[in-house]
Amino acid sequence: QVQLQESGPGLVKPSETLSLTCTVSGGSISSYYWSWIRQPAGKGLEWIGRIYTSGSTNYNPSLKSRVTMSVDTSKNQFSLKLSSVTAADTAVYYCARDGEVVNYGRTSYYFDYWGQGTLVTVSS
Amino acid sequence: DIQMTQSPSSLSASVGDRVTITCQASQDISNYLNWYQQKPGKAPKLLIYDASNLETGVPSRFSGSGSGTDFTFTISSLQPEDIATYYCQQYDNLGVTFGPGTKVDIK
Repeated sequence: QVQLQESGPGLVKPSETLSLTCTVSGGSISSYYWSWIRQPAGKGLEWIGRIYTSGSTNYNPSLKSRVTMSVDTSKNQFSLKLSSVTAADTAVYYCARDGEVVNYGRTSYYFDYWGQGTLVTVSS
Repeated sequence: DIQMTQSPSSLSASVGDRVTITCQASQDISNYLNWYQQKPGKAPKLLIYDASNLETGVPSRFSGSGSGTDFTFTISSLQPEDIATYYCQQYDNLGVTFGPGTKVDIK
């Protein structure tokens, strides 16, 4: 059973960089896309971006200028950096696996495994 | 980018009721539409992928349908453990968008 666990500081100062790592266990990180998703308290889900194990990335256009993702296949980990944070970046941050299914030559993706989420608060 | 809307934003129903949630995409997304259930304090859980495919282990009272821009999610007989917020989500080459969610509770 694949398991994901987010780790990183729970408190970040405004204008600084938020850094989180997701450790994958129970399976290999290879040959999948891996995403970060966040959720402010009482609000909906916002996709931040995804990374393939080759290092290829796609980011949410609204966050693209501040987001960097990386992957370390030797440690079965992938990471998120979000720069110049403000109070609006306060949220529960989830990591997730982009599962896939191929039917008739088409590949569909969905988030089939999620971490438990970690609350990151931006405050001085 | 593709925008997703859901209706209603919340609903109350009795145990055993049939519950229906709709999701609309701002452009044709074929059947690249997934549904998730999120309970308070928990990560979302995949229920339906590709608009109508039930994820392994998910009870058969959950179902989905639709294609193009209009999609429907149904709970055929609402159970107390179904109290949660439900999100639709589309996935294309440019990225991912979630609907705003529908909160379901018991009347």
